[in-house]
Amino acid sequence: QKEVEQDPGPLSVPEGAIVSLNCTYSNSAFQYFMWYRQYSRKGPELLMYTYSSGNKEDGRFTAQVDKSSKYISLFIRDSQPSDSATYLCAMSEIQGAQKLVFGQGTRLTINP
Amino acid sequence: DAGITQSPRHKVTETGTPVTLRCHQTENHRYMYWYRQDPGHGLRLIHYSYGVKDTDKGEVSDGYSVSRSKTEDFLLTLESATSSQTSVYFCATTGTGNTEAFFGQGTRLTVV
Repeated sequence: QKEVEQDPGPLSVPEGAIVSLNCTYSNSAFQYFMWYRQYSRKGPELLMYTYSSGNKEDGRFTAQVDKSSKYISLFIRDSQPSDSATYLCAMSEIQGAQKLVFGQGTRLTINP
Repeated sequence: DAGITQSPRHKVTETGTPVTLRCHQTENHRYMYWYRQDPGHGLRLIHYSYGVKDTDKGEVSDGYSVSRSKTEDFLLTLESATSSQTSVYFCATTGTGNTEAFFGQGTRLTVV
């Protein structure tokens, strides 16, 4: 069993829809949770970062962490075609990126 | 984009040959990483460096070696390339106390 599980999709939704992306994990020592966005043929870039449980909002993006359920989510409101990308969750026991464990990534397409 | 350059961007090589991939950064970041990205597996850490001449193994280090003789350069060597090492390789860096990992554009390696 992988430490971090993420549905690879693909996920296709119409423009303007609310998108929900999720990851589950098995390591209860994870404390730092991140979402990376990766456009086709590019490197990943950090989208959201959360420490421990709770919510964090940044514009149209909201990250949620539920440590009791070992479950994290990324919500995208008013989705745009420019949001079409692969979204990777990542987690770490320690601060810093030295020991990041990534999910498989979910490929998302927003249709105009 | 963070100043991370990977070279080459694409390479086709034959089974059994040695291959070296280069990562060059202009951010003066202490930490550097090599990941590989494969369908169904997401990003997996191969090796990382926490300073000049200081390196450590990641999750999938077998068949790979690394060297870091200068802060700005991190080399990944496939000692004897195999078809299972066909992948997209990403270099990443982080600064001290920084959680965000900055990724390069990737190197697409095909071993035939």
